[in-house]
Amino acid sequence: AQSVTQLDSHVSVSEGTPVLLRCNYSSSYSPSLFWYVQHPNKGLQLLLKYTSAATLVKGINGFEAEFKKSETSFHLTKPSAHMSDAAEYFCVVSDFLTGNQFYFGTGTSLTVIP
Amino acid sequence: EAGVAQSPRYKIIEKRQSVAFWCNPISGHATLYWYQQILGQGPKLLIQFQNNGVVDDSQLPKDRFSAERLKGVDSTLKIQPAKLEDSAVYLCASSDSGTRVYEQYFGPGTRLTVT
Repeated sequence: AQSVTQLDSHVSVSEGTPVLLRCNYSSSYSPSLFWYVQHPNKGLQLLLKYTSAATLVKGINGFEAEFKKSETSFHLTKPSAHMSDAAEYFCVVSDFLTGNQFYFGTGTSLTVIP
Repeated sequence: EAGVAQSPRYKIIEKRQSVAFWCNPISGHATLYWYQQILGQGPKLLIQFQNNGVVDDSQLPKDRFSAERLKGVDSTLKIQPAKLEDSAVYLCASSDSGTRVYEQYFGPGTRLTVT
């Protein structure tokens, strides 16, 4: 069965410092993994995706994530936080055995302190 | 390219009333999804359409929720009668089934408050 665990419900960082949002997944097959961001009153926007190619994935706005199969992790990082990064972040797992359905984590709320 | 459109953006109703939400997916996207996002939780899939056929509706409360996708384009989701626990954001998403990885594109959502 597919599932996602986002290890932190809230993360707070100072502007200009690194961001780390943690995600562990469970999948019975070769998964696809995604990170989406949701700003208040806005729809979900894709940050990046892993699809069995390069394990280090670069996304928009300076975010990147590394797929580690041995650790079943897909943590999201950014070297330097910006005020505009404050939002809710969702890790998602999907694989073709379940019809490519998306299984969302419970989300991590990122606060950026000026 | 226009994104996924949803309307209305906000709706307030009393319990036992009915409500309908509309979604227009990205042009050419064959797959359409409706999700329910309760405050503080990740989105939960309610129903998935491929063209105008239902692929999965296992988590749709069929005693009160219904959805249709006529002509394989626009879709409507209806709740009748609404309960207090239906208060949530209802998200519509679409994907291009022709691609290997079915990345989903989301609309802005409809925030429903049931009083």
